Formats: sequence, C-alpha cells, structure tokens
Amino acid sequence: EDQVTQSPEALRLQEGESSSLNCSYTVSGLRGLFWYRQDPGKGPEFLFTLYSAGEEKEKERLKATLTKKESFLHITAPKPEDSATYLCAVTPAGGTSYGKLTFGQGTILTVHP
Amino acid sequence: DADVTQTPRNRITKTGKRIMLECSQTKGHDRMYWYRQDPGLGLRLIYYSFDVKDINKGEISDGYSVSRQAQAKFSLSLESAIPNQTALYFCATSDGTGGRPEQYFGPGTRLTVT
Repeated sequence: EDQVTQSPEALRLQEGESSSLNCSYTVSGLRGLFWYRQDPGKGPEFLFTLYSAGEEKEKERLKATLTKKESFLHITAPKPEDSATYLCAVTPAGGTSYGKLTFGQGTILTVHP
Repeated sequence: DADVTQTPRNRITKTGKRIMLECSQTKGHDRMYWYRQDPGLGLRLIYYSFDVKDINKGEISDGYSVSRQAQAKFSLSLESAIPNQTALYFCATSDGTGGRPEQYFGPGTRLTVT
C-alpha cells in the first residue's frame, strides 16, 4: 500500500527564515511525486511534479527535491503570503493504484512578519 | 474563468435528503476525481473516472454515487445524507491521454449535514 508521511505537522517561521518541509513516501514504483499548496477553505493548487531521484524544480521562493525515499520542499526567505498548508502526494507507475494520488496529511506553514 | 468549477460552493442539508454536487471543467482532461477532506484525515478519494464510460470506486465510496454525463462533467450524489458526510468536497481533473499525472482541483464545496 502506498504511504506518504509529511513532517513537521506545523512549522512557524519568521519572515526571511529559510527552512524545509519533508515528505517521506513508500510506493511500488514511483510515477510521480507532487507538491500542492492549499489555502484555508480552498482547493489544492498544483506546484510541482518530480519524476525521478535527483530531480529539482523551483518556483519563486520554493524549491522541491527528490530522493528515492523522500522529497523536500525548501522555502528560501519566506514571506507571510507563503503561509498555507503544503501537501505532498505520490502516484505509482502501475498496479491497481495507477493514476490515483495518495496524499500526506500536510504541513501547516505560518510565516510571521 | 476557473478551469475546474464546482456547484454549489456551500450547502447545508438535513439528514436523509438527497444531494448532488456538480463539477465542470474546461481543461479538456479525460480523467476526473471526487475527494473529501476532513480535518486530521487529509484528502480521501471517493470515486474516479478515466473516461466517460469508466467509473471506479475509491477508498471511501460507501454512501456516494457518481455520474459522468460528458467528458467535462462529473457529478457526485449523496443518496441519503448523514451527519458524518459533513466535509469539504473537491473535484479534480488530470490529463491521461497526455500522460501528465498531476491533478488540478476545483475550489471545493463545503457540505454540512444537520
């Protein structure tokens, strides 16, 4: 069974204080690992897809990296508007779960000015 | 205009009532999904459809049914609503024919069953 575990559950940062969020996963053959941002009461917003170990993607202050067992979302010099819940998800390359996403519980990020 | 729309955005209903949540998309994607989100339980898949003639149960399909009326429309029904179906419901789409696995979500429907 595919599993995704995110840590920490919550993270409070001061504006400009860089940090990382972790996503550990277990999947029988990874097709893709995804990062989403979700604001309260809104739908998840797609950020990145990572396909293979060693891959990196960047968008503004966010950088996602992938190894064979985990992914990190690095936040450089965050701003208050980066406050949100960040979700990680995986989909396998085949099997009965093919095409479906398994989500982690998310990390609630709060950035204080 | 939003690529994935959901109606209604908010709904309060009583136990035992039938309710339908609707999802439409203009992304041209073939695959559509329904999820519910509960505090502490994350996003859970209710039903998914890889094309108009393909409907599959997700991990929590009991008490729900779906209809794929067209490639762009996917509806979720609660035949007889119960209070533990109170949740935030999301529709999502993905591009199966293009081989892109990421899903794009609608704005959500907040459903309260009293």
